[in-house]
Amino acid sequence: QVQLVQSGAEVKKPGSSVKVSCKAAGGTFSSYAISWVRQAPGQGLEWMGGIIPIFGTANYAQKFQDRVTITRDEFTRTAYMEMSSLRSEDTAVYYCARPTGYYKGAFDIWGQGTVVTVSS
Amino acid sequence: SSVLTQPPSVSVAPGQTARISCGGNNIGSESVHWYQEKPGQAPVLVVYDNTDRPSGIPQRFSGSNSANTATLTISRVEAGDEADYYCQVWDDTSDQPVFGGGTKLTVL
Repeated sequence: QVQLVQSGAEVKKPGSSVKVSCKAAGGTFSSYAISWVRQAPGQGLEWMGGIIPIFGTANYAQKFQDRVTITRDEFTRTAYMEMSSLRSEDTAVYYCARPTGYYKGAFDIWGQGTVVTVSS
Repeated sequence: SSVLTQPPSVSVAPGQTARISCGGNNIGSESVHWYQEKPGQAPVLVVYDNTDRPSGIPQRFSGSNSANTATLTISRVEAGDEADYYCQVWDDTSDQPVFGGGTKLTVL
């Protein structure tokens, strides 16, 4: 059974960067994509981008294209989401999730979430 | 790209049936997925591909999809069903997932 375990909470200053990790336990990591979804306080779910296996090609929501980089390391079974130029509006819970299809479809496995707080 | 519209809130008494809608242009031609999110917890997939349930999800949760509306139906609602519910599709034009705005289900 696949589990996604994320790194711990972060507190960052405006203008800085944050890198959140998502480590897969169980299953064949190299066979599935990973997406990143965030949820700001009191808001809904927002897809940020995703990365496919093996080739490591990433696709981003237009809103995040300039500030977010998603990568993966097949050897450590870990995906990463790095966001730069942080602002207060980026305060949110960040989730990694696995789609049921090769890279799309429903998200059947979710990480526990990482709280990122951006504050001066 | 797809825009999915959900009612902000739905209220239902215990034991009754809750229906949560997800509106979208010709959504009946797409695969719709539904998530349950409780406070402080990650979302949980409760229905995928319009009508299928992942293992471990009670049969009380069911989905339908036709024309411009998809619906999540929760039968015999329990207090533990109180949560936010989100619909989601994969928009083939942008090749990205799209989420509805979410519906807060209150069990009276």
